[in-house]
Amino acid sequence: GEDVEQSLFLSVREGDSSVINCTYTDSSSTYLYWYKQEPGAGLQLLTYIFSNMDMKQDQRLTVLLNKKDKHLSLRIADTQTGDSAIYFCAETPGGGADGLTFGKGTHLIIQP
Amino acid sequence: NAGVTQTPKFQVLKTGQSMTLQCAQDMNHNSMYWYRQDPGMGLRLIYYSASEGTTDKGEVPNGYNVSRLNKREFSLRLESAAPSQTSVYFCASLRDRAPQPQHFGDGTRLSIL
Repeated sequence: GEDVEQSLFLSVREGDSSVINCTYTDSSSTYLYWYKQEPGAGLQLLTYIFSNMDMKQDQRLTVLLNKKDKHLSLRIADTQTGDSAIYFCAETPGGGADGLTFGKGTHLIIQP
Repeated sequence: NAGVTQTPKFQVLKTGQSMTLQCAQDMNHNSMYWYRQDPGMGLRLIYYSASEGTTDKGEVPNGYNVSRLNKREFSLRLESAAPSQTSVYFCASLRDRAPQPQHFGDGTRLSIL
């Protein structure tokens, strides 16, 4: 069955880089997403990557995909207090209109 | 720009009561989704509607029914609420298919006593 795994917590110092990791099991996954959830809010799409790509960069965000190991990571450069949130990795097998399969989310904690 | 609107934002029910959660989107999206979010569990898909007139079960459909009233609206009904259904419920919509992202509402926080 489909499964997406993430560490529950990550603590980093303000100004450092944050690296949030995710592993997935469905080899048919076509698109992989990173969503951000701030307290009391819905989910905000950060970025996504197609399964035939290795890397995608968007300003402070870098996504790396190792398809062989089914490992996805999100790097946030120069982490700020506003980056404090829960980050969800999600996949959409087959790339259709079926629902997303989410990981349990990683709480990013920023230390001053 | 409203996007995905969910009502109500908060609700407290007694065990056995019924309730309908409303969701509407104004982006002319074809697909709509209901998820529940529980602490430490991430989001799990309850039901979805890939297009107007169709609905399909997701990972955790038991205890719920849905209605795709028209292209804009997708409602979630709890016929006989149970404490295990205490959760935050999110509605989402998608224009057509991946990689277009799903757009999420702000959630409905539901407590069943």
